[in-house]
Formats: sequence, structure tokens, C-alpha cells
Amino acid sequence: TQLLEQSPQFLSIQEGENLTVYCNSSSVFSSLQWYRQEPGEGPVLLVTVVTGGEVKKLKRLTFQFGDARKDSSLHITAAQPGDTGLYLCAGANAGNNRKLIWGLGTSLAVNP
Amino acid sequence: KAGVTQTPRYLIKTRGQQVTLSCSPISGHRSVSWYQQTPGQGLQFLFEYFSETQRNKGNFPGRFSGRQFSNSRSEMNVSTLELGDSALYLCASNLYGGRTDTQYFGPGTRLTVL
Repeated sequence: TQLLEQSPQFLSIQEGENLTVYCNSSSVFSSLQWYRQEPGEGPVLLVTVVTGGEVKKLKRLTFQFGDARKDSSLHITAAQPGDTGLYLCAGANAGNNRKLIWGLGTSLAVNP
Repeated sequence: KAGVTQTPRYLIKTRGQQVTLSCSPISGHRSVSWYQQTPGQGLQFLFEYFSETQRNKGNFPGRFSGRQFSNSRSEMNVSTLELGDSALYLCASNLYGGRTDTQYFGPGTRLTVL
């Protein structure tokens, strides 16, 4: 069974701090997606990475796909209260009927 | 384009009852996926429909069923509700494109079983 492990599970930081969350697997994925989910809402796609070693930036968020396409990281610079939410990663395997494999998420709280 | 809509947003039922949840995908999208989300298990895939046909199914008991209509709207039904069915049920409108697929989620239906 393919699994995606996210760490840390919970993170509480002060506004202005930097942080990194991780998404790891022993399986290779053809692509990996990061979502943010706010309370009472569904997940919203932030980014999709498809190439090993790929780095994508979205304002203060930097996403990296591991060289072997088994892991990914999300780095947030100068976190703001608006970054608060549940960050989920999901991996796609072209040989798995296009079903996404989901991590349990990292719950981030940024305190003003 | 309008986003994904799910109705109702909140639902309270008692054990043994059944429930039907509805999802309208983004206009033009022909595929819909359903997920159950709980704090301990995360997002768990229920099933996916494409052009009225169930294309994928997760590991849930037969009490969970779904269907898709010709206008791409989808419903899921849970019969004989159990306490453990309390969860956020999410519907995603799927856009397939080459190497990557994109899922656009609705706000979910919060089901509480008493």
C-alpha cells in the first residue's frame, strides 16, 4: 500500500517565522500536489510538481519535489496568520488508475 | 465559472438512518470524486464517476453508494448509518490533463451521526 507521511503533524509558530513541512514516501510518484484546507472548507490546490528536483514558488511559499520523486517539502517564509490551515500533500501514480494517495496533513497555526 | 457546490452543508442523523448528499461539479467537468475526511484517517477515497459510470472505488462497505447523472451532478448515499460515519464528505470536480490531474473541491457536507 502506498503511503504518504507528513511531518510535523502539528505546528504552532509566531507571525514572521519560517517553517518547513515534509511529505515522504517509499513510493515513486508521477506528480505530487500540495493543498491547503481552511476550517469548514474543502482543500484548495496550491501547486503541482511533476519533475524530480523541481522547485516552484508561490509568493512566500516554496515547493520542492525530491530528485527521486518520492518526497516533497513546503517552505513558508515569514509566515502570516492567513497561512493558518491544514496543508495536505497528495501523490499521483499513473499506474494506479489515477487515484491520488493522500497524506494526513500538517495543521499549521500562525499566531499574530 | 461557478465552483463546486455541495448540499446540504450540515446534516445530523441518527444511527440506522440513511442519507443522500449532492454535488454539482464545475460546468464542463465530467468526472466527480467523493472523499470521506476524518481527523484520524485523513482523506479517504470513496469513489469516482466519469460520464455516469463508476470508474474507481475505494475500500468502503456496500452501505456507501453513489451515482452520477447525465448533467454530471452526483449523489452519494449512505444507508444504515453508524456513529463512525460522522465525517466531512468532500466532493471534487476532476479536470484531467496529461501527466497531472487537478481536483477542485467543494466545501463539503458535515455529517454527524448520533
